[in-house]
Amino acid sequence: GQQLNQSPQSMFIQEGEDVSMNCTSSSIFNTWLWYKQEPGEGPVLLIALYKAGELTSNGRLTAQFGITRKDSFLNISASIPSDVGIYFCAGPGNQFYFGTGTSLTVIP
Amino acid sequence: NAGVTQTPKFRILKIGQSMTLQCTQDMNHNYMYWYRQDPGMGLKLIYYSVGAGITDKGEVPNGYNVSRSTTEDFPLRLELAAPSQTSVYFCASTPQVGATEAFFGQGTRLTVV
Repeated sequence: GQQLNQSPQSMFIQEGEDVSMNCTSSSIFNTWLWYKQEPGEGPVLLIALYKAGELTSNGRLTAQFGITRKDSFLNISASIPSDVGIYFCAGPGNQFYFGTGTSLTVIP
Repeated sequence: NAGVTQTPKFRILKIGQSMTLQCTQDMNHNYMYWYRQDPGMGLKLIYYSVGAGITDKGEVPNGYNVSRSTTEDFPLRLELAAPSQTSVYFCASTPQVGATEAFFGQGTRLTVV
């Protein structure tokens, strides 16, 4: 099956700092998705990317679809405590593939 | 809007017991999925279904069974619970292959003791 590897695995940052995480795939995807999972909840879609090189923002979140179509990046600017959670990249196919996740902790 | 509904939310099973995790969606989605999430880990696909009457194995199907008799329901069955099946289970659905969003239930936290 397709492998989606995320890094870093976990992050502990001070409130107000910017965050960067990435996702790499063993195969090409035509769509990249970023989800956030808050404690005790299911994942919720944050951003969808449809075109190689595309840069899309959703508030303080910015995601990019890598040129090779094998990677994607998510940035969070000026982090706040409610950004805490696990961030997953995902690629839709005949199965819905999820990355290994990046756990974010924001210290007030 | 109900979306994807999972029951129960929590369950404790003894080794060797069986149970069915229920999942239903009211969005008329063709594709449904079952994932498990171990502590601190990502989502692993157990089984998926592309429509009523059709199911297929995912990455970690051993110890589980599924059925899809209707578009709405996709129950997951554990026949002989083992401690290794302690996990949080998520059901999800998408309208078609390649859809850009999967809708998730709130999860079932299962502990096998």
